Amino acid sequence: GAVVSQHPSWVICKSGTSVKIECRSLDFQATTMFWYRQFPKQSLMLMATSNEGSKATYEQGVEKDKFLINHASLTLSTLTVTSAHPEDSSFYICSARPPFGGINYGYTFGSGTRLTVV
Amino acid sequence: GENVEQHPSTLSVQEGDSAVIKCTYSDSASNYFPWYKQELGKRPQLIIDIRSNVGEKKDQRIAVTLNKTAKHFSLHITETQPEDSAVYFCAASLETSGSRLTFGEGTQLTVNP
Repeated sequence: GAVVSQHPSWVICKSGTSVKIECRSLDFQATTMFWYRQFPKQSLMLMATSNEGSKATYEQGVEKDKFLINHASLTLSTLTVTSAHPEDSSFYICSARPPFGGINYGYTFGSGTRLTVV
Repeated sequence: GENVEQHPSTLSVQEGDSAVIKCTYSDSASNYFPWYKQELGKRPQLIIDIRSNVGEKKDQRIAVTLNKTAKHFSLHITETQPEDSAVYFCAASLETSGSRLTFGEGTQLTVNP
């Protein structure tokens, strides 16, 4: 089935540094990748939608200069948290949906990245 | 945009009893409604989904019903087991590959042995 690989699974960084999270679609081409953030005991909130070869679309309230998204190929999307602060500590998870074309695939999620900023 | 509301936020049942979680959505164009089970620190796992051309779908102990007119859908788990304890999320989207998935707030289900 469709698999999205996400790395790293967890990362601890110092305040003010940047962290890059990668999501790769392993067996399908993901023209669109969705990035979610989940705080403890809360739901998954969409941060941005990344589109291969074009600029990402950010949800209201999400700083595009702080959360840099690059979707340079059909199988790789990255999220970089720049100048991280403790309030950015969260569970970040990506998702993609294999091309819809007669096969009823749902959304595939990466394994998530637990970011802790100290 | 789409808004999905989910109730209850917590649900505690005795092993063997049934559990029902309800969701409403706002965008009448939405036509794909998945349900996910998420364990702590892990990715959401799809447990069942339903499309708008179907009113009910069942998979063993799990069933989902959809009322398009009222814009609500429900998850039914029968004969609950302790391993069913987790957070459950409903979601809604359009049935196209580039469409976002909007999640409900989640329900913490606890099945007491």
